[in-house]
Amino acid sequence: QSALTQPRSVSGSPGQSVSISCTGTSSDVGGYKYVSWYQQHPGKAPKLMIYDVTQRPSGVPERFSGSKSGNTASLTISGLQAEDEAEYYCCSSVGTLIFGGGTTLTVL
Amino acid sequence: EVQLVQSGAEVREPGESLRISCKASGYTFTSYWINWVRQMPGKGLEFVGRIDASDSYSTYSPSFQGHVTISIDKSLATAYLQWSSLKASDSAIYYCARADSGYGVDWGQGTLVTVSS
Repeated sequence: QSALTQPRSVSGSPGQSVSISCTGTSSDVGGYKYVSWYQQHPGKAPKLMIYDVTQRPSGVPERFSGSKSGNTASLTISGLQAEDEAEYYCCSSVGTLIFGGGTTLTVL
Repeated sequence: EVQLVQSGAEVREPGESLRISCKASGYTFTSYWINWVRQMPGKGLEFVGRIDASDSYSTYSPSFQGHVTISIDKSLATAYLQWSSLKASDSAIYYCARADSGYGVDWGQGTLVTVSS
């Protein structure tokens, strides 16, 4: 199973919205609701931000949202803040776990 | 408060064995799976495998099958990841995570493994 495809980097200014895409196949992203997103700051452990495509764990700000269309899932961060600058990974949890390659979010 | 505390950094030579640990607290250990995830230097996350803490049933990513072993000790609420013969390419940070419906909801701080002659 191949890694999911994410853009290597995205950027935005404080207050703006950015979206990160995650493309898989009908056997993973497109076929099931088991898509999640993780945030990782340098030197830190990953943190779950979105699960089941659209659900936010307790404590995750509402400005983080998830969606899916066909074989592509997306993470959208609205009202960008400096602390959002991090690496973001999507993940499909169908059977085994498959991660995307990661996207570096830069807050300008 | 849920906590996963991993063992400290390790340095080994190629061919040596190693076991790293992940001690859980703050929840019922046997009610969740534990995932193990690798992160090579400057690279992304890779799923290693996972174990059901209720019955020790484990599954592995094909990339790691046969090279690592995941186990638990219920009495210590601790999960383990072990190698019988390390390679230089095993050098990485390894994270454990409490898994709820497959999702890593709580993570350990990571264990750096360095394999070098």
